Amino acid sequence: AQSVAQPEDQVNVAEGNPLTVKCTYSVSGNPYLFWYVQYPNRGLQFLLKYITGDNLVKGSYGFEAEFNKSQTSFHLKKPSALVSDSALYFCAVRDAANQGGKLIFGQGTELSVKP
Amino acid sequence: DTGVSQDPRHKITKRGQNVTFRCDPISEHNRLYWYRQTLGQGPEFLTYFQNEAQLEKSRLLSDRFSAERPKGSFSTLEIQRTEQGDSAMYLCASSLGRLSGNTIYFGEGSWLTVV
Repeated sequence: AQSVAQPEDQVNVAEGNPLTVKCTYSVSGNPYLFWYVQYPNRGLQFLLKYITGDNLVKGSYGFEAEFNKSQTSFHLKKPSALVSDSALYFCAVRDAANQGGKLIFGQGTELSVKP
Repeated sequence: DTGVSQDPRHKITKRGQNVTFRCDPISEHNRLYWYRQTLGQGPEFLTYFQNEAQLEKSRLLSDRFSAERPKGSFSTLEIQRTEQGDSAMYLCASSLGRLSGNTIYFGEGSWLTVV
């Protein structure tokens, strides 16, 4: 069975500092990994994904994520946080053999960036 | 580029009433997904369609829930005899093709409040 864990309910950072939002996953086969962001009372916006290739994936709004197979992790990072990055972030996983089936989401991490 | 469209965005209903949500996916996307999200939780998979065929249903989709995609375009999610526990945001999403690496794009969600 597929599962995702986001160990931190909330992450607080100061504007301009680097941020990391953690994600670990479990799948039986090869993982396809995704990050989404959700602003209050809105749907989910796609940020980036890892399918294959370079372990460092770059996405929207300056975000990037690093795939680490040995640690089964896919942490989201940004070198310099903005107040406007404050939102709810979700990591999701799909088994590569699932032929385009469902994504399984983590519980979410609330990111708060203070001026 | 029109994204995934959901209607209505908000619905307040009395317990025991039936409600129906509509989703229009991104044009030419043949995969359509329904998720449910409650406050403080990640999206939970309900069901998905490949064209008009419903390929998978979650155990969360009780007998009171039914989803259809009759012509392989828009989809409806109906909840019969609503209960207070059905209060949640219902998210629709779509993707193109059967490749597991394809991104799933979400709509803005339909909020349901059962009173």
